[in-house]
Amino acid sequence: QSALTQPASVSGSPGQSITISCTGTSSDIGTYNHVSWYQHHPGKVPKLVIYDVSNRPSGVSNHFSGSKSGNTASLTISGLQAEDEADYYCSAYTSTRTDVFGTGTKVTVL
Amino acid sequence: QVQLVESGGGVVQPGRSLRLSCAASGFSFSNYAIHWVRQAPGKGLEWVAVISYDGTNKFYADSVKGRFTISRDNSKNTVYLQMDSLRAEDTAVYSCARDFTSYAFDVWGQGTMVTVSS
Repeated sequence: QSALTQPASVSGSPGQSITISCTGTSSDIGTYNHVSWYQHHPGKVPKLVIYDVSNRPSGVSNHFSGSKSGNTASLTISGLQAEDEADYYCSAYTSTRTDVFGTGTKVTVL
Repeated sequence: QVQLVESGGGVVQPGRSLRLSCAASGFSFSNYAIHWVRQAPGKGLEWVAVISYDGTNKFYADSVKGRFTISRDNSKNTVYLQMDSLRAEDTAVYSCARDFTSYAFDVWGQGTMVTVSS
């Protein structure tokens, strides 16, 4: 159950698009479409922004989008805004019916 | 409103036990699986355990398997995490989360801090 691999940090200017990658294995991302993404502002509870690879929960802005190719999932934030500055975590269902989170990515809006 | 509230955290010596509770309100508790997730100081999120809606299925992270036990009482709308043989590396904020669908967590509690130290 090694953590999924994410870049430690990603930055962009307001209005730009950024993409965060999340790399797993054939035992999780590569086999199942149960990949989720969470936005986590320090001191607050994590917020689900994407589930099942590319679905947005009700109320989540459509400037969040998700995709997957092979063992790697990605979260794209389009039209970057100041309030998007936060930590982002991916998570994936695994073949042992457990879950695994990514290492986390700090998004900075320049 | 839909809410999860954790309790039971504190300071405990290595090797001792602690039981956390997660009380739910505002939704049909018995219809949802519930997970525990932890975050050590300065570290990322780590998934800990899950219990199915009816309590029949339970799964654990390798790091806690054999030491932690998850259970639930649907009559009390509460999930528990019994933590035995605690280690320093178990020090973290422990949060419970509702399984929205297929291991996606849409409702989170604020968490309860567990510190394992002599």
